[in-house]
This record gives sequence, C-alpha cells and structure tokens, in this order.
Amino acid sequence: TQLLEQSPQFLSIQEGENLTVYCNSSSVFSSLQWYRQEPGEGPVLLVTVVTGGEVKKLKRLTFQFGDARKDSSLHITAAQPGDTGLYLCAGAGRTYKYIFGTGTRLKVLA
Amino acid sequence: NAGVTQTPKFQVLKTGQSMTLQCAQDMNHEYMSWYRQDPGMGLRLIHYSVGAGITDQGEVPNGYNVSRSTTEDFPLRLLSAAPSQTSVYFCASSYSWENTEAFFGQGTRLTVV
Repeated sequence: TQLLEQSPQFLSIQEGENLTVYCNSSSVFSSLQWYRQEPGEGPVLLVTVVTGGEVKKLKRLTFQFGDARKDSSLHITAAQPGDTGLYLCAGAGRTYKYIFGTGTRLKVLA
Repeated sequence: NAGVTQTPKFQVLKTGQSMTLQCAQDMNHEYMSWYRQDPGMGLRLIHYSVGAGITDQGEVPNGYNVSRSTTEDFPLRLLSAAPSQTSVYFCASSYSWENTEAFFGQGTRLTVV
C-alpha cells in the first residue's frame, strides 16, 4: 500500500514566523499536489509539482518536489492568520488510485 | 457552474440502516472518487472510477458499494451502517487520475448511532 506521511501533524505558530511541512513516501509518484482545506469545505488545489527537483512559488508559499519524486515540502514565509487550515499532499499512486497524505493542521496566531 | 454536487449535506442513520450518498459532476470528468475524512485526519480513498461502467476499490472499501452508470453520477451506498462509518464523506472528480486537479463536493457529514 502506498502511503504519504506528512509531518508535523499539528503546527501552531505566531504571525510572521516561517514554517515547513513535509510529505514523504517510500514510493515514487509521477506528480504530487498540495491542497488546503478549510473547515466545512472540500480541499482546494494549491499547486502541482511534476519534475524531480522542481520548485514552485505561489506568493509566500514555496513548494519543492524531491529529486527522486518520493517526497515534497511546503514552506510558508511570514505566515499570516489567513494561512490557517489543513494542508494535504496528494498523488497518483499505482493502479489509478489518487491518495492523500495524513495532513498537517496549521494554526497561525495573530 | 455547479462543479461537484453532493447530497445530502448531513445525515443521521441508525446502526444497520442503508443509504446512498449522491454525487454528480457537470465537468465531463472521467475520474471520480469517494473519500472519507475522520476528525483531524487526511482523506482515505474508499472507491474510485476511471470512467462509466468501471469502478474499483480504494484503501478502505469494506461496507461500501459504488456504481458508475453515467459519466456524471457516482453514488456511494452504505449497505448496513455501523458507528465506525461515522465520518465526513467527500466526492471528487478530475479529468484524469494523475497530474490534474481534483474538484471536491462540499461533503456529507454522516453520523451512525
């Protein structure tokens, strides 16, 4: 069974701090996606990384795909309360299964 | 644009009852899937479909059935509800199973008593 393990599971930080969330697997993925989910809503896509070593930036968010395409990271610079939410990585596993990571719940305090 | 529509939004069932969660999408997506999300957790794949007439099991399929008679609809059936099936259920659709964005419904909060 392919797994996507995220760390940390919970993160509570002050506004203005930086943070990094990790998504790790023992399997190779053709691509990984990062989603953010707010309470009572479905996840919404933030970014897709496809190429090993790829780095994508979305304003204060920086996403990286590992060289071996087994892991990814999300770095947030100068976090704001509006960044609060559940962050999920996801990827297309074997046999057409699109699976999600275990999730990182972020709370940014004003 | 409707996107992915799930009904109902909330449901309470008694142990042993059966029910169907409805999911419809209007984006002509081939890939559809059902997930469950337990408190504070990620999403676990229940069943998925790569196109009309084709379904397969995900990570946690026990106690659930699906069918895909049309491209648009992908209902999830609970055969005999158990308290362990209390969860929030999300339906998703995407153009393909990889390298594309998954669009989600708003979820169904199910409680089994």
